[in-house]
Amino acid sequence: SAVISQKPSRDICQRGTSLTIQCQVDSQVTMMFWYRQQPGQSLTLIATANQGSEATYESGFVIDKFPISRPNLTFSTLTVSNMSPEDSSIYLCSASPGYNQPQHFGDGTRLSIL
Amino acid sequence: ILNVEQSPQSLHVQEGDSTNFTCSFPSSNFYALHWYRWETAKSPEALFVMTLNGDEKKKGRISATLNTKEGYSYLYIKGSQPEDSATYLCALYAGGTSYGKLTFGQGTILTVHP
Repeated sequence: SAVISQKPSRDICQRGTSLTIQCQVDSQVTMMFWYRQQPGQSLTLIATANQGSEATYESGFVIDKFPISRPNLTFSTLTVSNMSPEDSSIYLCSASPGYNQPQHFGDGTRLSIL
Repeated sequence: ILNVEQSPQSLHVQEGDSTNFTCSFPSSNFYALHWYRWETAKSPEALFVMTLNGDEKKKGRISATLNTKEGYSYLYIKGSQPEDSATYLCALYAGGTSYGKLTFGQGTILTVHP
């Protein structure tokens, strides 16, 4: 099974700044996903990141706020732009070999905005 | 928007108790149902991926059943131990064009008291 390294594990940021989260997978995967868990909420999909194409964003999430890169089959980044306290969440990346196989997750980035 | 619901929201049990919780999903959108365990400060860990109606899967003291016609899955833990304390998430794969995309329930937070 794939192992995913996610960085940073946590950060405290100032309002109005941006943070880029990185995920490195130890094997090539077609599909990667970015999720957010706000306090007391479920894991919510932000976008699907496939190599060679633009990320597909879910309703309520836009590229200007959450730009994503997927330069190759083992790496992806998510940027949280112009942060506000409402962006305080756990952000998770995952990789999926297929719908009938489990997704593999990074350890998450715990983000607090002051 | 798919509605995946888990109950109860939280559960406190004593060590040695057996417990179970429920995941409900729209049966008309079913392709696969995933179960994950998410311990604090760790990445979600896959427990099961279930695809067939009537399927039953087992991993140690944890087992799961699936009823795709009525749209629910049960997760059972036999003889709970403190190390079982975690959030248990179910997630639905509904097929369609978003290959691999999962919709998560809000999770059941299990606390096992020694």
